[in-house]
Amino acid sequence: DQQVKQNSPSLSVQEGRISILNCDYTNSMFDYFLWYKKYPAEGPTFLISISSIKDKNEDGRFTVFLNKSAKHLSLHIVPSQPGDSAVYFCAAQTGTASKLTFGTGTRLQVTL
Amino acid sequence: EAEVAQSPRYKITEKSQAVAFWCDPISGHATLYWYRQILGQGPELLVQFQDESVVDDSQLPKDRFSAERLKGVDSTLKIQPAELGDSAMYLCASSGFGRGNNEQFFGPGTRLTVL
Repeated sequence: DQQVKQNSPSLSVQEGRISILNCDYTNSMFDYFLWYKKYPAEGPTFLISISSIKDKNEDGRFTVFLNKSAKHLSLHIVPSQPGDSAVYFCAAQTGTASKLTFGTGTRLQVTL
Repeated sequence: EAEVAQSPRYKITEKSQAVAFWCDPISGHATLYWYRQILGQGPELLVQFQDESVVDDSQLPKDRFSAERLKGVDSTLKIQPAELGDSAMYLCASSGFGRGNNEQFFGPGTRLTVL
C-alpha cells in the first residue's frame, strides 16, 4: 500500500525554466511533508518542508505547495539550474519525530 | 557543520555471513532512525530509537536483523545471516526531539552487496 506516490519517474527541464515535481498521498493523518534531494551514492539531503496548516512555503528558488483537499503537494524550482539534477523524494509524517514515509522519487535532469 | 556519520560506506559480503553497520548521529539529537532503500524505491524505516529505547521496529526482520543504541548516542545495525535480498542502501538519520523537530538529517549511507 503506497501511501505516498510520485507518479513521474523522471522529468527533464531546460536550465532557467521552472521544474514542477508532484506528489500525492492517501493517508489523511499525515500532518507534515518534506522534500529531499538525493545524489547517487549519497544520503538524502533535506530541501524544504511544509506543515499541513499551511498551503505554501518558500525558500529561495524552492517553493512547496500543499492542497489538502486533493491530498497533493508539489515542489517548484525556479529558475532550474544544472546542479539541481538529482532524484527528488517526497516524504510525509504523522507527528513530530515520527518515521518518514517516502515516495519512489522523481529523477530531475536540468539540461543546458 | 554537524553531520550524521556512517561506516562503512560500502560492504560486500557473501550470503550467510554477518555484517554490521555503525551510525553516529548529530550531537544532541535524541531520535535516531535506520532506513533501508532498495534500488528504485524510497527509503523505508527499519527501526527508530528515542535515546536508547526502541520506539518502532515493526518493519525490522527480527529473525536476522538487530539494532542497538546502548548509550543513547551512536548505534549499530546488524544482519546475521545476510541474504541476497538484503542488498540495498542502509541509511541512518537523526532528529531533535519535541515540537518543531520534524526534519530528519541523513548520513551518507552504507551500500551493502550480498553475493
